[in-house]
Amino acid sequence: EVQLVESGGGLVQPGRSLRLSCAASGFTFDDYAMHWVRQAPGKGLEWVSGISWNSGSIGYADSVKGRFTISRDNAKNSLYLQMNSLRAEDTALYYCARGSGSGYVGSFDYWGQGTLVTVSS
Amino acid sequence: QSVLTQPPSVSGAPGQRVTISCTGSSSNIGAGYDVHWYQQLPGTAPKLLIYGNSNRPSGVPDRFSGSKSGTSASLAISGLQAEDEADYYCQSYDSSLSLVVFGGGTKLTVL
Repeated sequence: EVQLVESGGGLVQPGRSLRLSCAASGFTFDDYAMHWVRQAPGKGLEWVSGISWNSGSIGYADSVKGRFTISRDNAKNSLYLQMNSLRAEDTALYYCARGSGSGYVGSFDYWGQGTLVTVSS
Repeated sequence: QSVLTQPPSVSGAPGQRVTISCTGSSSNIGAGYDVHWYQQLPGTAPKLLIYGNSNRPSGVPDRFSGSKSGTSASLAISGLQAEDEADYYCQSYDSSLSLVVFGGGTKLTVL
């Protein structure tokens, strides 16, 4: 059974940093691209970042480019999102999602339950 | 403002058929990139409903169907049931932005 479990969310002050993690199990992790998608309270889905199976292709939404860094450790079956210079508008539920293939263009076929990030003083 | 445009809400009575549109442009849907659809039930994570424009993952009822034409795509739900009440999102890729893009979401109400 495919499982994606996010962790690392919490309350953080504006301008500070946070690192999210996603532990994957139930599939061959390095066969798939992985993504972070967020959802602000009461709002729609926003793609944040994606990474191909071998980290050779990486993309970011304009809203987070230069502040967030996605990475993965295939040996540990884990996906990460380093979030720096956090802003109030980054407050959201952050989902880890599996891409349907090895490259990051495609659908997201499995999702975690999300980890909540709240940016507030 | 989303790159892919969806109606904010649609509604229908049980048993009826509803469609949700997703309008893009020549740099995303019109460029040949696939459209995917997700269902998000209240308080839960999104679930893949349709992939590759018209394909259903295992376990998704055939009441759900997808299509694509030109710069638009549609999700159709027939035989509406109360448990279909949810938010629905379309998703594709935009080559001019080099980004994965979502529609703004459509709230389906079953009357």
